[in-house]
Parts: sequence; C-alpha cells; structure tokens
Amino acid sequence: EVQLVETGGGLIQPGGSLRLSCAASGFTVSSNYMSWVRQAPGKGLEWVSVIYSGGSTYYADSVKGRFTISRDNSKNTLYLQMNSLRAEDTAVYYCARYSGNYYYYYMDVWGKGTTVTVSS
Amino acid sequence: DIQMTQSPSTLSASVGDRVTITCRASQSISSWLAWYQQKPGKAPKLLIYKASSLESGVPSRFSGSGSGTEFTLTISSLQPDDFATYYCQQYNSWWTFGQGTKVEIK
Repeated sequence: EVQLVETGGGLIQPGGSLRLSCAASGFTVSSNYMSWVRQAPGKGLEWVSVIYSGGSTYYADSVKGRFTISRDNSKNTLYLQMNSLRAEDTAVYYCARYSGNYYYYYMDVWGKGTTVTVSS
Repeated sequence: DIQMTQSPSTLSASVGDRVTITCRASQSISSWLAWYQQKPGKAPKLLIYKASSLESGVPSRFSGSGSGTEFTLTISSLQPDDFATYYCQQYNSWWTFGQGTKVEIK
C-alpha cells in the first residue's frame, strides 16, 4: 500500500528550527517528485517546496532561504528543515507525492499531516 | 504567478442535488488542473486530474470539465459522504490552489 507518514511537528518559539520527516512506503521517494504543502488554521492549501527525482529543489517565495527540502534514499524518507520560524509558518504540513509526465505533475498521494505551531 | 479563484466560497445543498463548483485561472493553464476533496482534520484527496480525468477509485458522480481559464467540478447526485471542502489546483506553472469551496448541508 502506498503511504506517507509525517512526523516532527510541535510547538516552537519564533526564530527556532524544526525538522519534519515524511516516511514513505509502497514506492521509492527518490524515483518520484515529492513536495511539502501547508495549511494554516482555517485557511487554504499552500505549496511550500518540491524536490525532483533528479535532486533539484525549489521553494515558495514565502519560505525561500529559510526552509530546506531533502531526502534520505536509504530510509525512503523526505525531510523539511525549517529555520528562522515565524508565527505565519504555523500550519499543518503535508508531504505529497506527484504523478504526471513531461513537465506537468499533480499531487496524487498525501500524508495525514503534522502540525507546526510557532508561538512564544 | 497564476492565481486561482473558486466560486462560490460556500454552497448549501441537499442529498441528491446536482452541484457545480467553478474555478478560474488568471491565465491559460490548458488542461493542467486538478480537483481535491478535503474533510475536516484530514488530508486532501485527489478526485480529478488533467481537468476531466477521474482518479482511480473515485465515484463516477464526480466529473470535471473545462480548459484554458475556466473549469468546473460537478457532483451529479450529492451523497452524505460528499459534504466537504473542494479545492482546485493548477499545475501548469508551479502549483497554486483555489481558496476552496465548502459544500454544506442545506
């Protein structure tokens, strides 16, 4: 069964750091495009970052320079290192797998999410 | 950046109703549009991709149409399990979502 399980969320003070993990089963993370998407309380969905199968990484402007996406192929796990956290980063963070071809990819499998709260 | 606008924001309907949600893109995205369903406290679930392709396992009462800048999601006969929030997402250039449409019980 294809599954994604996020962990690592919690309460963190502004300016702090946190690393989220997303363990995959049923498929190989390194062979797929993978993303992080977040949802602030009561708000809509916001794409945060992507890592392509070739290893290239891209970020939304709102997190560029503060967040880093990576993966550990031996653990089949995706990560999101979040530094210099702000109150506006408070959200449920989902990891998602992409499907598609050529240049056009959509998110077909989602984890259940992990909650990050940035507050003093 | 491509902006996605959904209407209405909230929709009140009864079981058995035909429901239509509209999504407009700020520029042409061809057919590179997906629809997701999200229930409270749960992850989004893919319903439709490439504007009109039904994801495996999704009931056939869900359908999508459109191209360019205007798209619709239709539920032909609303079921109790369909009360949820629906999001459109463009994947023509990076990924952006609509603000969501909440389908609630009338």
